[in-house]
Amino acid sequence: DAGVTQSPTHLIKTRGQQVTLRCSPKSGHDTVSWYQQALGQGPQFIFQYYEEEERQRGNFPDRFSGHQFPNYSSELNVNALLLGDSALYLCASSLLTSHSYEQYFGPGTRLTVT
Amino acid sequence: DQQVKQNSPSLSVQEGRISILNCDYTNSMFDYFLWYKKYPAEGPTFLISISSIKDKNEDGRFTVFLNKSAKHLSLHIVPSQPGDSAVYFCAASATAAGNKLTFGGGTRVLVKP
Repeated sequence: DAGVTQSPTHLIKTRGQQVTLRCSPKSGHDTVSWYQQALGQGPQFIFQYYEEEERQRGNFPDRFSGHQFPNYSSELNVNALLLGDSALYLCASSLLTSHSYEQYFGPGTRLTVT
Repeated sequence: DQQVKQNSPSLSVQEGRISILNCDYTNSMFDYFLWYKKYPAEGPTFLISISSIKDKNEDGRFTVFLNKSAKHLSLHIVPSQPGDSAVYFCAASATAAGNKLTFGGGTRVLVKP
């Protein structure tokens, strides 16, 4: 049973560049949520995708955008990178119709902006 | 605006003893609470959860207690084992299932052999 996978594992970008992170949900899951975890803090919700549409959004600027594909995989895009965007980006999947609150997390992508 | 707080950043406990992790929340709309464990270089792993209609949920060595009036929950690990050494996050969700999780800042637990 494949869990949540994310790519790449690590990424180094320069301020002002754009980045795309990828996530494949756990087998059988249809909902993908993205979180940003800064050093020493808990994960913060960015947005959630279901049926290829953004279902909920946290308090993040429009520079953060996403996409969900028909196979339920998802991408997180960040434009005009700032130094403060350096963080661990976590993808979590769930099955919305199960009415379960549990979300299953991938290992994350460590983004460093220099 | 930190709606979920874990006021103890770290906890050290002897193997075999009880670990007690605390979490406070401010949003009265939260109706479901979860604990996650995180090892370095891994994503958070779901541990145990509790609905606001309960005050206790047990799963093996892990028990979560919820005090709604105080907006406080705690996680008890008995007995603590060295493999329990990790960062523990408290998370909360409001209303419908599938809603976003709001996390606390985490508590780093070290279990000494």
